[in-house]
Amino acid sequence: AQRVTQPEKLLSVFKGAPVELKCNYSYSGSPELFWYVQYSRQRLQLLLRHISRESIKGFTADLNKGETSFHLKKPFAQEEDSAMYYCALGGSGNTGKLIFGQGTTLQVKP
Amino acid sequence: EAQVTQNPRYLITVTGKKLTVTCSQNMNHEYMSWYRQDPGLGLRQIYYSMNVEVTDKGDVPEGYKVSRKEKRNFPLILESPSPNQTSLYFCASSLFAGPLYEQYFGPGTRLTVT
Repeated sequence: AQRVTQPEKLLSVFKGAPVELKCNYSYSGSPELFWYVQYSRQRLQLLLRHISRESIKGFTADLNKGETSFHLKKPFAQEEDSAMYYCALGGSGNTGKLIFGQGTTLQVKP
Repeated sequence: EAQVTQNPRYLITVTGKKLTVTCSQNMNHEYMSWYRQDPGLGLRQIYYSMNVEVTDKGDVPEGYKVSRKEKRNFPLILESPSPNQTSLYFCASSLFAGPLYEQYFGPGTRLTVT
């Protein structure tokens, strides 16, 4: 079964502290993985995708096929990073479907 | 501005009263889809459309209908809403289906069925 698990509903850190949002997936084949972010009162938007191997707003995520993980990391959290973060997996069959995790709320305290 | 719009943004209705949530995109995208978001479940796909006149079921299509008569519009129809359809609904679009193409999401429609 295709599934995405984000084990933490809430992650609270202080400004300047490192952040790691966990994401584990279940998928047979080569996964396509994404992180989406939803800031307060804004729409869901793409943060980064593993095929791009990019760093956006200081965030990076590495696909670890052995551990079936795609954790999102940032070395120094900023208050403006406070948001809901969703890990998503591209479904099989090229339907365009995204399979989302339950989401993690990141709260960065001053 | 390139965007996905949804209307209405908020709706309270009663069981059995047919309703339509509209979705429109101005980016000439081929692919559009609908998701519902429920606490603890993330977003789940309801229906999707690869292009005009082509639609297919997602993971939770029961109780919903869609149509794609024009490229820019993809309305979600609830013929006989029930309380278990109370949810936050998102429309999304991308140039084509597939991981290479970023999906753009609408602002969401919060539906309450009493």
